[in-house]
Amino acid sequence: GAGVSQSPRYKVTKRGQDVALRCDPISGHVSLYWYRQALGQGPEFLTYFNYEAQQDKSGLPNDRFSAERPEGSISTLTIQRTEQRDSAMYRCASSRGTSGIVINEQFFGPGTRLTVL
Amino acid sequence: AQKITQTQPGMFVQEKEAVTLDCTYDTSDPSYGLFWYKQPSSGEMIFLIYQGSYDQQNATEGRYSLNFQKARKSANLVISASQLGDSAMYFCAMGNTGFQKLVFGTGTRLLVSP
Repeated sequence: GAGVSQSPRYKVTKRGQDVALRCDPISGHVSLYWYRQALGQGPEFLTYFNYEAQQDKSGLPNDRFSAERPEGSISTLTIQRTEQRDSAMYRCASSRGTSGIVINEQFFGPGTRLTVL
Repeated sequence: AQKITQTQPGMFVQEKEAVTLDCTYDTSDPSYGLFWYKQPSSGEMIFLIYQGSYDQQNATEGRYSLNFQKARKSANLVISASQLGDSAMYFCAMGNTGFQKLVFGTGTRLLVSP
């Protein structure tokens, strides 16, 4: 497809279960980002990749959260031992990256709505 | 640290009129970019417009323009000739060449009335 896709679109899980959220970026996009958006708030940065390398994971809340992009394309955000406070919309975005002083826009996927019961 | 401030939780405008959504930012980096995104009730995040810190002219994209005042650190979005479909949440965001992550404001909810 032409845009960023994410799956699943909705995920309901019980506290303590692990979940894996998938992101398929726009073809050819170098950079891939994960954000978390609480209701009524702007997205908050979690982590990002350039190609397969994780460049910044400073936004990951704790060590239950991890992400990978092993072949520089599809990425998976994994949350282990989920807690109710993890409930949010998880958004993925991709971009052509940064070239010189130009910061290319990020295109967002539809998000995965995670509900932890 | 970077920070984006959107002081208008909600704005109302009549169809066909222009509206300005405020955004101020704070950064010590000389090279940065400012973005506006639209989030309709469907939940998607739609990129609207970008302004680079070194751009001499204000960015424009159709009915959207960015009123960039670097000395005041403001990057207000101007929507001309508002349409009912413009009703949505609007987020201002900033990134820089050193840290590609975007920092978002809290958003402004725009309601366009007939």
